[in-house]
Amino acid sequence: IQLTQSPSSLSASVGDRVTITCRASQGISNSLAWYQQKPGKAPKLLISVASTLQSGLPSRFSGSGSGTDFTLTISSLQPEDFATYFCQQVNSYPITFGQGTRLEIK
Amino acid sequence: QVQLVESGGGVVQPGRSLRLSCAVSGFTFNNYIMQWVRQAPGKGLEWVAVISYDGSTIYYADSVKGRFTISRDNSKNTLYLQMNSLRPEDTAIYYCARREQQGDAFDIWGQGTVVTVSS
Repeated sequence: IQLTQSPSSLSASVGDRVTITCRASQGISNSLAWYQQKPGKAPKLLISVASTLQSGLPSRFSGSGSGTDFTLTISSLQPEDFATYFCQQVNSYPITFGQGTRLEIK
Repeated sequence: QVQLVESGGGVVQPGRSLRLSCAVSGFTFNNYIMQWVRQAPGKGLEWVAVISYDGSTIYYADSVKGRFTISRDNSKNTLYLQMNSLRPEDTAIYYCARREQQGDAFDIWGQGTVVTVSS
């Protein structure tokens, strides 16, 4: 199952609302996760089953979608949110990741 | 606290072997499915392999099938990745990761260990 993220990169300002999309090449129900990765660090799970925010994470992160189209939304960007974001399908093996979206400071 | 610590990375010549280890602590290891994921320099994430709770079910990415072997020792709380016939394209940071019990995403990751395949 191929995952296509868009955009590949994004420039935004603190306080902006941003949306990243992930499209699957076939239906995956809600078996989609989102990760944040900062330089030199391991990925960090943000959202699982398309819309469940991990415990302790800020509510400005939200996920939605089902089937083939999914979105990650950050409602009000904070300085610590500038990173690379990956989607991942866990519906079937081989597990696959999107190519990543690099979120940069404008 | 919950922790995964990889080790065993290094520089190796093409065609040679390397074994990675992932020592876990802070949770009941044999209650979790475990995975390896890698990331080539400046690239995205690539899933490598998965192993079930007791090691009875294993899957591999096509890119490593027949060359890599995932295993676990629940008595030692350790996950392994035996890598044989290494190729330059196997150069990457290798992460071990725990699959969450509900949702199937990877909720805990190690810090990664670097493997460089070069002559």
